[in-house]
Amino acid sequence: EAQVTQNPRYLITVTGKKLTVTCSQNMNHEYMSWYRQDPGLGLRQIYYSMNVEVTDKGDVPEGYKVSRKEKRNFPLILESPSPNQTSLYFCASSYLNTGELFFGEGSRLTVL
Amino acid sequence: AQSVSQHNHHVILSEAASLELGCNYSYGGTVNLFWYVQYPGQHLQLLLKYFSGDPLVKGIKGFEAEFIKSKFSFNLRKPSVQWSDTAEYFCAVKLANDMRFGAGTRLTVKP
Repeated sequence: EAQVTQNPRYLITVTGKKLTVTCSQNMNHEYMSWYRQDPGLGLRQIYYSMNVEVTDKGDVPEGYKVSRKEKRNFPLILESPSPNQTSLYFCASSYLNTGELFFGEGSRLTVL
Repeated sequence: AQSVSQHNHHVILSEAASLELGCNYSYGGTVNLFWYVQYPGQHLQLLLKYFSGDPLVKGIKGFEAEFIKSKFSFNLRKPSVQWSDTAEYFCAVKLANDMRFGAGTRLTVKP
């Protein structure tokens, strides 16, 4: 089954404690992206990747890091989380030329 | 600033009412346009898309959207909504390297 898998789905952490949200897709998509969803703001792009070892900043990259060492994986790293990073995070992937994004189930992160 | 604008934040309708959700974008040139739907507690799913050709696009579950180039608009329509259409709807524009989303419109359909 074609899918984008994110883990963890729910996480409560404290300020400053490094965490990683994993994202994996099984569709051989070149393009992967991270979004955060906040009420009234819709989805805002954090980082995206056009292919292995190619990443770029989206609209709200501050406080986040990503890596793309393998085509299927695109982890999101919060080196020192802060309360303003409390949000719902979605990973998505697509073929480069279609733009049709497949989304993961979301990861709800709370930073205390 | 370039953007995707969804004019309605929250729309409340009764079952069988007609629906139109507005979407305007400010990007020039050729654009690819999408509507995604997010049912309560779920991830976003593609509802329909426009790349080229017939500006009236039909999607799943009876939804359609019309691309009007002169108005930079891509409004979503459904002739008769159902309770199960209660969800959040996002308009999106594909740019060269990424996708830009509107803020979303929450639709509540009363039975």
